[in-house]
Amino acid sequence: NAGVTQTPKFQVLKTGQSMTLQCAQDMNHEYMSWYRQDPGMGLRLIHYSVGAGITDQGEVPNGYNVSRSTTEDFPLRLLSAAPSQTSVYFCASSKRTGPLNTEAFFGQGTRLTVV
Amino acid sequence: ILNVEQSPQSLHVQEGDSTNFTCSFPSSNFYALHWYRWETAKSPEALFVMTLNGDEKKKGRISATLNTKEGYSYLYIKGSQPEDSATYLCASATGGYSTLTFGKGTMLLVSP
Repeated sequence: NAGVTQTPKFQVLKTGQSMTLQCAQDMNHEYMSWYRQDPGMGLRLIHYSVGAGITDQGEVPNGYNVSRSTTEDFPLRLLSAAPSQTSVYFCASSKRTGPLNTEAFFGQGTRLTVV
Repeated sequence: ILNVEQSPQSLHVQEGDSTNFTCSFPSSNFYALHWYRWETAKSPEALFVMTLNGDEKKKGRISATLNTKEGYSYLYIKGSQPEDSATYLCASATGGYSTLTFGKGTMLLVSP
């Protein structure tokens, strides 16, 4: 059981470049989310999705796009990379039970450096 | 954006010591409180999800309590072991979709 698979693990981008971080889960979870982890900060929510075709913004959405065309996949796109987007990114998924999400399962993380 | 606060920021104990951490959160619009364990170079892993006031959960030597009326949760580790060394995160689930707001974590180091 692969769980949540996130790629790549490491990436270096030049300012202005675009890229897509991939996230896939095989647990049939409805809820998927992207977080960024910066030194001295907690995990901050970028975007989330409660099912295919439904996405919404989290706390720090600027500079990022998401889409959810299937239950399994939730890619995160950086439109024009900036040094402020240097961070560690985590994808997570949860099962929904009514209004609640169960425990979150996290991917391995992507360490992104923008130069 | 609601604030989830964790204390202490870091803790260094000796093997065999028992320890506890605090997580405080706004009690309005509360759905659930999550605890995660995050080892260096790995991903966070869930310990507990608690929803009801007075909830108590236990997993081996680790336990947690929840007070939703006053907005706090305690995580206890009994007889700490070096393998307990990690950052412990709490997160409050709020809003229509129970999105998680994380605290900054408590970093625990257990020395042999």
